[in-house]
Order: sequence, then structure tokens, then C-alpha cells
Amino acid sequence: AQSVTQLDSQVPVFEEAPVELRCNYSSSVSVYLFWYVQYPNQGLQLLLKYLSGSTLVKGINGFEAEFNKSQTSFHLRKPSVHISDTAEYFCAVILSGAGSYQLTFGKGTKLSVIP
Amino acid sequence: DTEVTQTPKHLVMGMTNKKSLKCEQHMGHRAMYWYKQKAKKPPELMFVYSYEKLSINESVPSRFSPECPNSSLLNLHLHALQPEDSALYLCASSPPGGGERTQYFGPGTRLLVL
Repeated sequence: AQSVTQLDSQVPVFEEAPVELRCNYSSSVSVYLFWYVQYPNQGLQLLLKYLSGSTLVKGINGFEAEFNKSQTSFHLRKPSVHISDTAEYFCAVILSGAGSYQLTFGKGTKLSVIP
Repeated sequence: DTEVTQTPKHLVMGMTNKKSLKCEQHMGHRAMYWYKQKAKKPPELMFVYSYEKLSINESVPSRFSPECPNSSLLNLHLHALQPEDSALYLCASSPPGGGERTQYFGPGTRLLVL
């Protein structure tokens, strides 16, 4: 079975500073990887995904993530954060095989941007 | 368009009430999901429908009853709920086929059981 570890439960960062949210996964087979963002009192919005191809993936709102197979990591980065980036961020994986529907989430990282 | 809609946005119900949550997508997705999310936790999978057939039930109590009337609609019927069932209920959908696994989520229904 696969698992996801988000190493930081909370990350405070000053506005316009860079940020990295860490995500490591464990799986014996290949997986697809996702980052979702959840703003207060809202659903989950897809930020970006890695299915195959280039290991550097660009998403919405200026975020990007790099898939590192050897380190089983998929860290999320943004070079300059805004107040509006304050939200909960979830890393998630799913097995790449046919018929796989179960998305495994990490526990989430609360990003707080300080003015 | 990657929109999943859910109604109602908020729902308050008593423990003896019967209510339903509705989810709709028009993206041609053939897998639809119900998740439950408690505060400060990740979503927990409840049910998965694939091609309108229930394919996963994660040992959810029978007071939650899913229904998939057609490929665009997913309902969750609620009956005799408990206060601990208060949560955000999220619907999601994903494309058919082997390669694409991305799940797209709706805005959720915030349920309060009194």
C-alpha cells in the first residue's frame, strides 16, 4: 500500500519570500502525484500533477513541484508568496495501474503568509 | 471546464431527518466519489462509482446511502445521522480510461447534525 508524508504540519512565511512544502511518498509500484490546495471553507483545487514526462511540473498560481524518484519526493515550491496563498495544502498519490481509484492524501500543511 | 457542482452548500439536520446531497459534473467523467472531511484532516474516501456501478464502499455506515442515477449525477442520501457525522462532504470525479487519474473536487456541502 502507498503512503504520503507531509513533513511540516504548519509553515509560516513572510509575504514575497520563497516557500517549499515537503512531500515524501512510499510505494512499491509507480504512482501519480498531485498537490491540492484548500482555501478556508472551500473544496480542494488541483494545483498541479505529475503523471509522466518532465520531472519539473508547473501548476497554477505560480507553484511548481519536482518529482524525484530516487528520493521518493514531490516537493512544492513558489518563489514569492502572497497573502492569498494562505491555505491548507495536500499532497496525494494514486497507483498508476488501471482500475485504481484510491487517492492517498498526506495530512496536509497549513501555509500561513505573514504580511 | 473542470467543474464539479454540489448542492446544498450548507445543511443542518436533526438526527431523525432524511436529507440528500447532490453532485453533478458534465465533463464526461465516468468515476465519481464521495469523501468526508473533518476539520484539520485530509479527506477520507467513502464511496466510488465507476460507470454508474458502486465499486468501492469504505465500510461506511448504512445511514449513508449513495446513488448514481446517471453518468453525470451522484447523490448521497442521509438518514438517522449522528452528531459525529457533522463534516464537509466532498464530491469528486475523474476521467475514464487507464491513463488519467486526476480527481476534480466540488466545493463541498458543510453538514451539521444536531
